[in-house]
Amino acid sequence: QSALTQPPSVSGSPGQSVTISCTATSSDVGDYNRVCWYQQQSPGTAPKLLIYDVTIRPSGVPDRFSGSKSGNTASLTISGLQAEDEADYYCTSHTTYNTYFFGTGTKVTVL
Amino acid sequence: EVQLVESGGGLVQPGGSLRISCAASGFTFSKYWMHWLRQSPDQGLVWVSDIKGDGSNTHYADSVRGRFTVSRDNAKNTLYLQMNSLRVDDTAVYFCARSGAPYAVDVWGQGTTVTVSS
Repeated sequence: QSALTQPPSVSGSPGQSVTISCTATSSDVGDYNRVCWYQQQSPGTAPKLLIYDVTIRPSGVPDRFSGSKSGNTASLTISGLQAEDEADYYCTSHTTYNTYFFGTGTKVTVL
Repeated sequence: EVQLVESGGGLVQPGGSLRISCAASGFTFSKYWMHWLRQSPDQGLVWVSDIKGDGSNTHYADSVRGRFTVSRDNAKNTLYLQMNSLRVDDTAVYFCARSGAPYAVDVWGQGTTVTVSS
């Protein structure tokens, strides 16, 4: 069982919003404030950083992507879904042991 | 242009060893923590190891601790991962990455494939 659980898939039509959850099942994530989100267009290719420290967007990432957290569940919301957003999305968390957990991954399909 | 280029992947027998490398360019390599991550169809994306900019601190995932060693040569702007006692489940695409944001990686290489099989 992974320490970070994500839904296997979510889908939405262009223009809609979708939200991907990332639930921590291990206390090793501490206060769960070191959560990041990555987008991977296809397996085996380099992922792209979308969000770090739960809510912060790096320069160049569209503001359609936003992060949040409630308790032990972090979330990534994609607003105004576009065809190019179809990809796999992974959450990660730094741990109290100075390691990192990756989530199980979520495939976003644009209908 | 900031760039990371991995090399050294290949086919190795179970129990064997392999060293993969990552050449960095376009940024001050010695100022950044660097990471190794891997991806296989069975296990998804997995963090493997990281190393501080001056090489003084390292961390490892439980699955590789004691078998893998991360190192760096800042004079050559190169990151290494020495992998010993390789197992079939170490088969994956290995990525090097730069930690350009707190507890996050902002630049990734294109990956190098390691296959452990008899």
